[in-house]
Amino acid sequence: DAGITQSPRHKVTETGTPVTLRCHQTENHRYMYWYRQDPGHGLRLIHYSYGVKDTDKGEVSDGYSVSRSKTEDFLLTLESATSSQTSVYFCAISESRVTAGASDTQYFGPGTRLTVL
Amino acid sequence: AQKVTQAQTEISVVEKEDVTLDCVYETRDTTYYLFWYKQPPSGELVFLIRRNSFDEQNEISGRYSWNFQKSTSSFNFTITASQVVDSAVYFCALSEAKGGTSYGKLTFGQGTILTVHP
Repeated sequence: DAGITQSPRHKVTETGTPVTLRCHQTENHRYMYWYRQDPGHGLRLIHYSYGVKDTDKGEVSDGYSVSRSKTEDFLLTLESATSSQTSVYFCAISESRVTAGASDTQYFGPGTRLTVL
Repeated sequence: AQKVTQAQTEISVVEKEDVTLDCVYETRDTTYYLFWYKQPPSGELVFLIRRNSFDEQNEISGRYSWNFQKSTSSFNFTITASQVVDSAVYFCALSEAKGGTSYGKLTFGQGTILTVHP
């Protein structure tokens, strides 16, 4: 199994407070992704990173920011949490050994269940 | 824009029945990749298979098989002789190829909840 951990695993917070979720990998993979999972929507991409300090927005990026200061850590921040951000958040990583034109398999962390009251 | 549709929201079968989970996708890319993931009740996402758009051979892995048909933009998943342990949410996903500004981002279907009764 890919070495991916997420912290915290569960969090309850109040509307308007800042929240930071951490994804840590031990695989030295270049690509990292944050998704959220909601009933009826599957998983949707929030932000992704293609290298240290290289990040970009995904499909549902409003209200979220990310940072990647080193290969192993990818942080997701909710600047001011809202109830609509109650969700399960998954981090994923993928290898970069293949050349352009290919796509590596993404492996997922265990998830973080966030509740915003 | 890419899109993945899993029209079956929930499926319920009795153990030992065969079951097929449908996946239909839309993309303008000529090179793309299709995936299936399993999410058991414990919540983790387990990778099952990856196929690229140039390989239409069907694949079998034990009781699992996958039927990829570009002509109908479908990538269906069949479980033969289902077991209670197969109960899970199954996701089909589509990825663009890496290169240029593409970074292998996944587009997921809504998921199909499979319940296998003893």
